[in-house]
Amino acid sequence: EDQVTQSPEALRLQEGESSSLNCSYTVSGLRGLFWYRQDPGKGPEFLFTLYSAGEEKEKERLKATLTKKESFLHITAPKPEDSATYLCAVQAWASGTYKYIFGTGTRLKVLA
Amino acid sequence: DVKVTQSSRYLVKRTGEKVFLECVQDMDHENMFWYRQDPGLGLRLIYFSYDVKMKEKGDIPEGYSVSREKKERFSLILESASTNQTSMYLCASSPGGGSYNSPLHFGNGTRLTVT
Repeated sequence: EDQVTQSPEALRLQEGESSSLNCSYTVSGLRGLFWYRQDPGKGPEFLFTLYSAGEEKEKERLKATLTKKESFLHITAPKPEDSATYLCAVQAWASGTYKYIFGTGTRLKVLA
Repeated sequence: DVKVTQSSRYLVKRTGEKVFLECVQDMDHENMFWYRQDPGLGLRLIYFSYDVKMKEKGDIPEGYSVSREKKERFSLILESASTNQTSMYLCASSPGGGSYNSPLHFGNGTRLTVT
């Protein structure tokens, strides 16, 4: 069964304390892996797309990497404004169509 | 930037009411989606559409229907609202054609409470 699992469920960091969020997936026919940021009461905001193993994307303090089984979102020297829920999704071929499969997210809290 | 606009941020409805949730996108995207998001369950796909007047059931279509009369507009209908449909509803869009591996772009959501 196609599945996306994110860990940890929640993470508390001190400002400046770097860490990584994990997204592991088991899908057939991966077309792309996507990272989103979601603030409370709002819709997910697109951050990155990764298409193939070895690929990396960066934006400010965030860097996303991809292997054949998982993706990491590395957060370097986080600030309180990085506090949010980070969602991972994959697009895969399933049941004769392309589907987006979401993880349940990692809730990140960065303390000043 | 892609803009996906959901008509209401908050709605409170009574059990048995017919509820309409509206979504409009301004980027000429072929694909549109409706999800619901619940704590611990993540995003679950209700319905999607790859073209005008076309619709496909997602993973949890029971109790819902959709309408896509124009390319930019995708409506979710709760035929007879029930308390277990209390949730955050998210509309999304993406380009069609050969852009199968494009990300979804989301609206800001409608938090629906059914009492």
